[in-house]
Amino acid sequence: DTGVSQNPRHKITKRGQNVTFRCDPISEHNRLYWYRQTLGQGPEFLTYFQNEAQLEKSRLLSDRFSAERPKGSFSTLEIQRTEQGDSAMYLCASTKTGWGPMNTEAFFGQGTRLTVV
Amino acid sequence: AQSVSQHNHHVILSEAASLELGCNYSYGGTVNLFWYVQYPGQHLQLLLKYFSGDPLVKGIKGFEAEFIKSKFSFNLRKPSVQWSDTAEYFCAVNRDDYKLSFGAGTTVTVRA
Repeated sequence: DTGVSQNPRHKITKRGQNVTFRCDPISEHNRLYWYRQTLGQGPEFLTYFQNEAQLEKSRLLSDRFSAERPKGSFSTLEIQRTEQGDSAMYLCASTKTGWGPMNTEAFFGQGTRLTVV
Repeated sequence: AQSVSQHNHHVILSEAASLELGCNYSYGGTVNLFWYVQYPGQHLQLLLKYFSGDPLVKGIKGFEAEFIKSKFSFNLRKPSVQWSDTAEYFCAVNRDDYKLSFGAGTTVTVRA
C-alpha cells in the first residue's frame, strides 16, 4: 500500500513534553492536510499546505502547534508543552488539488494516536 | 461556520437489514458532499461523493446516497448490510477548496 503514511502510529508522552509527528503524502499530491479527531467526534481541520506553503490554519491550532512541509514533500506537526487536552488522533490527508470536482483522489493516513499522561 | 449533523450515534442491525444514515448540513450555497467509512484499525476511505448532477449517487460496496437540496440532506443507504459493513461512517461537506468538515460519525454494528 503506497498511500499516506504517518509515523509514529502511537505516542504516549508526559504533560509538558514536546512531540513531533510525520506525514508522508502521496508523492504527486500538492495538497496536504492535518486533522485532529477526538473520541466520539469526526475529524476537525487543523491546517493545510499547498506544496511547501501553509495557507490556512484553524483556530484550533494554538501557538503551541506548528506544522511544516519543507520542499513540499513530507510534513511534520509539532506540539510543544503538551497538555492532556491534546490527546487525540492526528490525521493527515493529501490531494492533488482541493476537495472539489477537479480532484480525482484523496487519501487519509491511519493517523497518529497521541496520549498525554 | 459549516455544521454537519449525523443523526445517529450508534446503529445496531442484523445482516440483510437495510441501512439508512442521516446527514444534514447547515450551509447555503454550493457544497460538495462525501461519505467516508472507517473500518476498525484502518484509515478513512471514500464511499461516495456528490458534486453536481444526478442527486442519487452510487458508491462502492453497494452504498448509495441521495442529495436533497431543499432539506440540506445527504443520507446514506444500503439495501442489505453484511457483517463486514461494521464500521464508523462519516458524512463530510466541502464548500471552499480546502476545508472538509465532518460530522461526528455513526458507528454501525452489524450482527451476524
